This record gives sequence, structure tokens and C-alpha cells, in this order.
Amino acid sequence: GDSVTQMEGPVTLSEEAFLTINCTYTATGYPSLFWYVQYPGEGLQLLLKATKADDKGSNKGFEATYRKETTSFHLEKGSVQVSDSAVYFCALTPGAGSYQLTFGKGTKLSVIP
Amino acid sequence: KAGVTQTPRYLIKTRGQQVTLSCSPISGHRSVSWYQQTPGQGLQFLFEYFSETQRNKGNFPGRFSGRQFSNSRSEMNVSTLELGDSALYLCASSIRGQGGEQYFGPGTRLTVT
Repeated sequence: GDSVTQMEGPVTLSEEAFLTINCTYTATGYPSLFWYVQYPGEGLQLLLKATKADDKGSNKGFEATYRKETTSFHLEKGSVQVSDSAVYFCALTPGAGSYQLTFGKGTKLSVIP
Repeated sequence: KAGVTQTPRYLIKTRGQQVTLSCSPISGHRSVSWYQQTPGQGLQFLFEYFSETQRNKGNFPGRFSGRQFSNSRSEMNVSTLELGDSALYLCASSIRGQGGEQYFGPGTRLTVT
């Protein structure tokens, strides 16, 4: 079945550092890829998405590019802020009429001043 | 536009009891999905409803069931509660087909004692 593997945390960075969270996937067909973020005590918020190969999703300074050749969708941000501290989830939907999200285990990011 | 709402936000039940959780989707969204989040298993798909019909079901026992009403509101029910059912239950709504984006509610925290 489909699966998502992302780097396990926790990740601790200083403010203004560069962030990369690795994500790779296994899926048949043409999945759509997502990054969700979860702040403490809250539900999931959609951060960005990409629906086909070579698409780049971006939002709030975060970016991720859908790489079909490496089955990857790594999340990057050039300069993190304390307010970016949260848990980040990589996810996919398989397409072909199915909208079931399959999630990675999540990566906890802590940004210190 | 109001977001996804879930009630109740917190619930404490005893083993053997049953529980019903409610989800109201974003206005205009006709698809509702349910996910279980636990520290051990992460985020797992329970089921999806669209136009009052279950479209997809995850790998959970029959004690977990759901339904959707004509106004797209959804409920999920767990019967004969077990300690392992303690989790955050998240509801997500979407306009099925438009890039697969799903918008999550804040969740219902269920504790089984």
C-alpha cells in the first residue's frame, strides 16, 4: 500500500536558520502530495500542496517540490521563526477517485530565539 | 467562512461505553473524512463520506462507524470502547476533487478510562 516516510525529530533550530524536512513516498499511480502543520492543541492546517511532478508548492515562506524521479517532497524554509515551532506532516492522496490521506509520522520542529 | 467544527472538544468515557462525535464541515463542502491520531500509530484514516454514502474505509474494526446527513454534517460512533481508543479524532472536509485539499477541525480528544 501507499506510505510516507519523513525524517523523525525532534528538530531544534535557531531563529533565522535554514530548514529542511525530508519526505519520501511510495505510491502507485499519480498521487497528490501535501504538507500539513499542527500547532499545540490544534488540528491540522494545510501548509502547501503539489498535484503533479515538478510542481512546487509554496506558502508562508515554505516550499516543496514534487520530485517523481526520487519520489520525494522535501519541505524547506530559508529563515525559520519562533512561530514556526510545530509538528509538520507530509501526506499523500493516491488519486484515481480516492481522497484518503496517508500521513508520515510527523516531525516536531522547535525554533529557539 | 466558518471552519470545520467538531463537538465535543473533550470527552471522558469508561471502557465498554459507546460514544458519538459530531463534525460540521465548511459550508459547501460535501465530503467529510475522519482520522484517528495517537502517539503510537500517528494519523490513521477511518472513513470518508460523500453525499451521505461511505466512499472509503480504513483498517479499523466494525466498532467504528459513521454516517453523514443531508446537510453534510457527519457523526462517528465508537461502540464498546477500549482503552486503546483513547485518541484525538479529527474530522476533515473538502470539495471532493478539487486538488484533494482537506481542511481539518480542531479535533475531539477522547479519553477512555
